[in-house]
Amino acid sequence: NAGVTQTPKFRILKIGQSMTLQCTQDMNHNYMYWYRQDPGMGLKLIYYSVGAGITDKGEVPNGYNVSRSTTEDFPLRLELAAPSQTSVYFCASTSSRGFQPQHFGDGTRLSIL
Amino acid sequence: AQSVTQLDSQVPVFEEAPVELRCNYSSSVSVYLFWYVQYPNQGLQLLLKYLSGSTLVKGINGFEAEFNKSQTSFHLRKPSDHISDTAEYFCAVSENSGYALNFGKGTSLLVTP
Repeated sequence: NAGVTQTPKFRILKIGQSMTLQCTQDMNHNYMYWYRQDPGMGLKLIYYSVGAGITDKGEVPNGYNVSRSTTEDFPLRLELAAPSQTSVYFCASTSSRGFQPQHFGDGTRLSIL
Repeated sequence: AQSVTQLDSQVPVFEEAPVELRCNYSSSVSVYLFWYVQYPNQGLQLLLKYLSGSTLVKGINGFEAEFNKSQTSFHLRKPSDHISDTAEYFCAVSENSGYALNFGKGTSLLVTP
């Protein structure tokens, strides 16, 4: 039972490079989310999706893009990496908004130098 | 807009001692409340949730929390801690019409012998 799988687990980028953080879930959840976690700051929502083909911005979307072509996958794209994007990124999914708990992946630790 | 305040950034306790991690929230509508735990280098796992009904909810690993509507609080408690409880704990709130969770900044629980 894989749940939410994120790849890669670790990555170092140079300023200006681009990359895609992968997220896939095998629970047939409609709702998917991307958060970033900075020390002492909790989790901040970057983007979310309520189903295939539908995405929307969260609290901190600048510098990121997402797509949702299938129910299972929700990749996060960094186009021009900046040091401020050094963080731990978590993908999560849930079957229903509000009262259902979210299931989290193990995170991607990204450093931009 | 809702907000979540975790009143203590760090809580050190001795093994087998009781502990309380405090969480207060603000919202103008009905909410669902969650506690998540994050062990080092892992994603978040659900400890417990309050949706409705009894204000005392029990979760995994011997944790429990009490919802207090008048004080807008959802404090997490455990009567006897183990060293394995050392982790980061996050309180989170979801409005019943909302799409995402709003997290507190986290409380680091350190259990020592």
